[in-house]
Amino acid sequence: DIQMTQSPSTLSAYVGDRVTITCRASQSISWWLAWYQQKPGKAPKILIYKASNLESGVPARFSGSGSGTEFTLTISSLQPDDFATYYCQQYNTYPRTFGQGTKVEIK
Amino acid sequence: EVQLVESGGGLVQPGRSLRLSCAASGFTFGDYAMHWVRQSPGKGLEWVSGISWNSDTIGYADSVKGRFTISRDNAKNSLFLQMNSLTAEDMALYYCARGDYYMDVWGQGTTVTVSS
Repeated sequence: DIQMTQSPSTLSAYVGDRVTITCRASQSISWWLAWYQQKPGKAPKILIYKASNLESGVPARFSGSGSGTEFTLTISSLQPDDFATYYCQQYNTYPRTFGQGTKVEIK
Repeated sequence: EVQLVESGGGLVQPGRSLRLSCAASGFTFGDYAMHWVRQSPGKGLEWVSGISWNSDTIGYADSVKGRFTISRDNAKNSLFLQMNSLTAEDMALYYCARGDYYMDVWGQGTTVTVSS
């Protein structure tokens, strides 16, 4: 199975900060990576697919990059609505696997 | 409106079974692969199982293989998860999600509690 490892597990930042979350795959997954945002008590929401493609309706301050085994999610200017937990997920093969999550907190 | 609504969760004793359902509306259900994803209290997301549009391709997480069975009824726009031999480790909020690749539509989940 492909293991997905996110870092950091928790991130404290100010509104307006540039924030970067890293996701590493235990083997190459090409570009088959998605990023989700989850807020407490809510279902996850897709942000980025195929490593760098922004889902319709998602603000342009979110961006994704990477290929192979290393990927990043960047929020260019953190907004109050962005404080949430973020997950990466590979869909190169079954079983699908998620990273353990990165909680973005207010500093 | 595209919507997924899960049902069937509840309290069940260890070792017993439960069947979850997911009703889809607002899109052509039979055109998409579907998945179950769970989240234990205070924990991260765990993919449980997925099924292709025509049920030809099915996958399971190692943690549920041999105990859980995913199925679908395209005529009834419904996805199912038969869960047998439940343990405390299966206690979670279970989401169904749409997606041939990534998961772009999610339900609100149904809660499974395993306790004697």
